[in-house]
Amino acid sequence: NAGVTQTPKFQVLKTGQSMTLQCAQDMNHEYMSWYRQDPGMGLRLIHYSVGAGITDQGEVPNGYNVSRSTTEDFPLRLLSAAPSQTSVYFCASSYSAAYQETQYFGPGTRLLVL
Amino acid sequence: AQKVTQAQTEISVVEKEDVTLDCVYETRDTTYYLFWYKQPPSGELVFLIRRNSFDEQNEISGRYSWNFQKSTSSFNFTITASQVVDSAVYFCALRLGEMKTSYDKVIFGPGTSLSVIP
Repeated sequence: NAGVTQTPKFQVLKTGQSMTLQCAQDMNHEYMSWYRQDPGMGLRLIHYSVGAGITDQGEVPNGYNVSRSTTEDFPLRLLSAAPSQTSVYFCASSYSAAYQETQYFGPGTRLLVL
Repeated sequence: AQKVTQAQTEISVVEKEDVTLDCVYETRDTTYYLFWYKQPPSGELVFLIRRNSFDEQNEISGRYSWNFQKSTSSFNFTITASQVVDSAVYFCALRLGEMKTSYDKVIFGPGTSLSVIP
């Protein structure tokens, strides 16, 4: 298994540009999520999905869109990039069994918005 | 309100020393889960341990041990005989309730950066 994969690893955008961060998992996990990591703030949840066709907002959803057309893929779209979106983005997935869930994280995407 | 505090921003120890990373959490829920993750310089987060609120038994895994105390709302992580490979940022996290009903309520602490000096 490849686990959770993310592309690209690095990206530089200009303010106002749009882009999609890709995330895929091959573990047949129901749950997938996107976090952003900023210095001194830990990880903050952007959006999450409890299954194909179902998504919901997390703590910091503004400026981001997601969709979940398949179990494997959970892309994150930046509609109009802003410097405040400069961050490291992590995708995670997890399976659910009562009291036994674990999140698996991807390697991260470093995004710089100029 | 729910909150996770990791008061130690950065810690440096000499190899083979023991080190304890502190984690204090706040929640009024009776059902919750606590996690520790390791983020090595490569960047990806690695799951270390999960503990639910009904299980206060301490756990040891090799050089790693965890001390969960509900009375002080703490879930501290100790590395015994530290090694250079332990250098990383360590995150403590809190999740409330059941996965299906509270997936959005995962709260991460700000992290503690551990440097192990040879």
